Amino acid sequence: GAVVSQHPSRVICKSGTSVKIECRSLDFQATTMFWYRQFPKQSLMLMATSNEGSKATYEQGVEKDKFLINHASLTLSTLTVTSAHPEDSSFYICSAKQGSGTGELFFGEGSRLTVL
Amino acid sequence: QKEVEQDPGPLSVPEGAIVSLNCTYSNSAFQYFMWYRQYSRKGPELLMYTYSSGNKEDGRFTAQVDKSSKYISLFIRDSQPSDSATYLCAAYTGGGNKLTFGTGTQLKVEL
Repeated sequence: GAVVSQHPSRVICKSGTSVKIECRSLDFQATTMFWYRQFPKQSLMLMATSNEGSKATYEQGVEKDKFLINHASLTLSTLTVTSAHPEDSSFYICSAKQGSGTGELFFGEGSRLTVL
Repeated sequence: QKEVEQDPGPLSVPEGAIVSLNCTYSNSAFQYFMWYRQYSRKGPELLMYTYSSGNKEDGRFTAQVDKSSKYISLFIRDSQPSDSATYLCAAYTGGGNKLTFGTGTQLKVEL
């Protein structure tokens, strides 16, 4: 099946620094990618929808200036957590849609961010 | 009220048991229903994908959707220790594929 690669899988940073997480679709083109956040023992919460070549659509309550999303190509979307704080520590997961319409979604392995 | 409700468990069963995992939803516009399996510290992987009402079987897994009662089920036959994971139900209306997830049910299959 299709593969979505996320990098880094784990990152620890100091408070106030910025962290970039990459999401790549390895064997298909993804016009749409999604970024989710998951707290321990909780479900995935959609943060934003990333469309290639256009601005991301953020869910209510998600700060777009804090969580910068760039989808510069059909195989790469990035999430940058700017001026990270301990409360931003979480598991961030991307997914990519294969094809258009009701194309299947494939998830990355996730990136665990710890802000000290 | 959450759009998709799921009992978080944990659910513990002996090896070989039949497992029943369930979700309810409130949005009548949901047309597509999925079950994902998530191992600890990993991303979710798609198990079953169902459109509208009905049953779908794949090996030991059976997904069931009853739109009249807004009820989604996943059955696992002959459960194995390797089935131990968190199972997430999800639904969406179509088009943009914006998934709404349940909280996930933690399953442990014991030897």
